[in-house]
Amino acid sequence: DSGVTQTPKHLITATGQRVTLRCSPRSGDLSVYWYQQSLDQGLQFLIQYYNGEERAKGNILERFSAQQFPDLHSELNLSSLELGDSALYFCASSFNQNTEAFFGQGTRLTVV
Amino acid sequence: DAKTTQPNSMESNEEEPVHLPCNHSTISGTDYIHWYRQLPSQGPEYVIHGLTSNVNNRMASLAIAEDRKSSTLILHRATLRDAAVYYCILRSGFNYGQNFVFGPGTRLSVLP
Repeated sequence: DSGVTQTPKHLITATGQRVTLRCSPRSGDLSVYWYQQSLDQGLQFLIQYYNGEERAKGNILERFSAQQFPDLHSELNLSSLELGDSALYFCASSFNQNTEAFFGQGTRLTVV
Repeated sequence: DAKTTQPNSMESNEEEPVHLPCNHSTISGTDYIHWYRQLPSQGPEYVIHGLTSNVNNRMASLAIAEDRKSSTLILHRATLRDAAVYYCILRSGFNYGQNFVFGPGTRLSVLP
């Protein structure tokens, strides 16, 4: 158990809908990262937050947004969903920029 | 873009040592060398990290070249459970944009 909790584990929704994925970081970790992994593809970095502030953005679509709350949990919002958004979404947390990071087990999103 | 170069795939026999190489010729003085692995259908898992000196932990050893332009992850006795994709990543406290970007990694197969 990495200590990073992601909910829900599975999500099935229709095209055009909006979903929210939740991540609780390990206790004491200030940084949260979000990744997308499509079937048999690599990990695509989406966005990073540190202590509530956005720190880095990767290949995140405009339809996607995220935030980190004062209790340090984070949410990734995906809207106007398309079939191609079906993927595993991983959250990771670390104490700071260069310490080890720990990943959750992911949320599997299926858009039908 | 990832700043490391790894072989696409490697094979090992069970119970034998495995040396996974990584080149990072543009490494800066503040970059830590991190290794993660991803088993099938799971989130990435932290393996080891280091700055300049060789490092050992219960999972593996990390050998860092004197000029820090390359490193090698050493699994002392490969098991079937070690079959995974291994990622070598540079992490820095000063380079948020490239801080946690995964490349394609090395797919390790372990033969019984």
